[in-house]
Amino acid sequence: EAGVTQSPTHLIKTRGQQVTLRCSPISGHTSVYWYQQALGLGLQFLLWYDEGEERNRGNFPPRFSGRQFPNYSSELNVNALELEDSALYLCASSFQGLAQETQYFGPGTRLLVL
Amino acid sequence: GDSVTQMEGPVTLSEEAFLTINCTYTATGYPSLFWYVQYPGEGLQLLLKATKADDKGSNKGFEATYRKETTSFHLEKGSVQVSDSAVYFCSFLANAGGTSYGKLTFGQGTILTVHP
Repeated sequence: EAGVTQSPTHLIKTRGQQVTLRCSPISGHTSVYWYQQALGLGLQFLLWYDEGEERNRGNFPPRFSGRQFPNYSSELNVNALELEDSALYLCASSFQGLAQETQYFGPGTRLLVL
Repeated sequence: GDSVTQMEGPVTLSEEAFLTINCTYTATGYPSLFWYVQYPGEGLQLLLKATKADDKGSNKGFEATYRKETTSFHLEKGSVQVSDSAVYFCSFLANAGGTSYGKLTFGQGTILTVHP
């Protein structure tokens, strides 16, 4: 069974640009989560999508947004990139988003903002 | 607010040594608890989990017990191997009345290096 996949693996952007990251969940999973792993800041929750709806959002500015498609894949969009957006962006999926479910992580997209 | 306090690293051990990484949490409700491991250049892999008090999660020789009275979930392994070298993250998934918030809260991670 294929795990969570993310694309691209690496990205280099300049300040002010926009970026789109993509995630495909494990087959059968309806919930998709996004996390940011920035150096020195640890892992921070960004967004949770389930059945096409945004269910929860972390403490990030509105220029971080996303969506979930009918096939449950997801995109994370970051507008007006800032240097501090440089990080590893991790996507995870779970079966239905229930309280005891495990979130399974993809390999991440490493974003460098110059 | 919700938080995880994890034993600071880095931790350096010789092969076959005993490992303990302490983890305590502050959470509302009755969270599910997880240990994830991150190998260099990779994403997070679930190591083990526990969803109710006194549950013991175990995998690959690692164990952790959900201690609600001390809000702890310490990770242990009796005999570490070089291949266990990685970063270990303690985390929890909070909920309200059984409804998930979807958000995993993580500790800062503990770097483990095992020498032959």
